[in-house]
Amino acid sequence: DADVTQTPRNRITKTGKRIMLECSQTKGHDRMYWYRQDPGLGLRLIYYSFDVKDINKGEISDGYSVSRQAQAKFSLSLESAIPNQTALYFCATSDNAVPSRVNEQFFGPGTRLTVL
Amino acid sequence: SQQGEEDPQALSIQEGENATMNCSYKTSINNLQWYRQNSGRGLVHLILIRSNEREKHSGRLRVTLDTSKKSSSLLITASRAADTASYFCATDATGGSYIPTFGRGTSLIVHP
Repeated sequence: DADVTQTPRNRITKTGKRIMLECSQTKGHDRMYWYRQDPGLGLRLIYYSFDVKDINKGEISDGYSVSRQAQAKFSLSLESAIPNQTALYFCATSDNAVPSRVNEQFFGPGTRLTVL
Repeated sequence: SQQGEEDPQALSIQEGENATMNCSYKTSINNLQWYRQNSGRGLVHLILIRSNEREKHSGRLRVTLDTSKKSSSLLITASRAADTASYFCATDATGGSYIPTFGRGTSLIVHP
């Protein structure tokens, strides 16, 4: 069973549509992250959350919003999708309960989003 | 902006050869990690090396860290076709919030 799951896995949408990407985890980790990956640019941090009541902007938060519905769920929304948001989106978690491993991130399988 | 930069961007070798990829970074770090990504899949953590460590091993992987040169290397010995993937370094900057910053990655192809 996957520890970090993402839905949908693939999505094609049109400019101006609202899109929600969902992430769930069964690892019991408090920390959750959303990244986007573009060819040749590596991973860039969009938003992160250290617990249910904590939400923080990352490097590229413009055009995105998030919701931390529970410890296990962290959703990413594109309120009005645009073509340059076409990318591979990853959710990740990390465990702050183990200080020596707080940096280690566990990734979901990714959502491939295409905005036409 | 990316903290770590991997070199080379792409590497193509034959099965059985060793693969070496490098990561350079700009600011002081607490630790450095290496991750692997199979095509279109999520990243998988390989190894973490702390700023006070110089070398770590895990199976066929050897990671070195030179904080004076702000660089790290990942060596995969006796490579296999299954090692074909992209490899990313991720740095945790000193005074940061324990969130790693990822480089752009090295694409490794191992030919059978």
